[in-house]
Amino acid sequence: TQLLEQSPQFLSIQEGENLTVYCNSSSVFSSLQWYRQEPGEGPVLLVTVVTGGEVKKLKRLTFQFGDARKDSSLHITAAQPGDTGLYLCSITNAGKSTFGDGTTLTVKP
Amino acid sequence: GAGVSQSPRYKVAKRGQDVALRCDPISGHVSLFWYQQALGQGPEFLTYFQNEAQLDKSGLPSDRFFAERPEGSVSTLKIQRTQQEDSAVYLCASSLGLTGSEKLFFGSGTQLSVL
Repeated sequence: TQLLEQSPQFLSIQEGENLTVYCNSSSVFSSLQWYRQEPGEGPVLLVTVVTGGEVKKLKRLTFQFGDARKDSSLHITAAQPGDTGLYLCSITNAGKSTFGDGTTLTVKP
Repeated sequence: GAGVSQSPRYKVAKRGQDVALRCDPISGHVSLFWYQQALGQGPEFLTYFQNEAQLDKSGLPSDRFFAERPEGSVSTLKIQRTQQEDSAVYLCASSLGLTGSEKLFFGSGTQLSVL
């Protein structure tokens, strides 16, 4: 059983559409990170959420940490082809980061 | 350089061959991590260094996998007698501080294919 379950696994949408991807667990976390990974590259950190109920915005991306700190969501408004990539959530414990298997997003022009 | 550098970018090995993967972290970064990423999956932790000390190697899949960072900077991940199941992208990451909880900076990875 995966510590972090991400859904959907794949998402293909048209440019301009909105979307939400999810990261869920049965465990409580002190913080959670979201990364984007483009083909042939390593993951790049987008945001860290720490407080239950916290909402962070990064341009058209909105990240929310669940009140119970067991889940998180990423909402993208008016998606663009440049948003295409693998979106990974991650938690860190004792220096070791554990990742979900990600959501592969394709935004078609 | 400005980022984490990994070499080679691609490596094709015959089953049974030994391989060595190199990671140059960001200058001054204390912590260094190796991850393995299979196709369609997220990265999985292999091992973690703080300076030259290997603090956690719990993720190494077998004793064929060995990592070192002898001078607390460049690190090498060595895989002996490679098997087909070792085919994956091997990612290196570094972070500035000692806790291991700071921001991770990843390299572009080495894609290993074992035939």
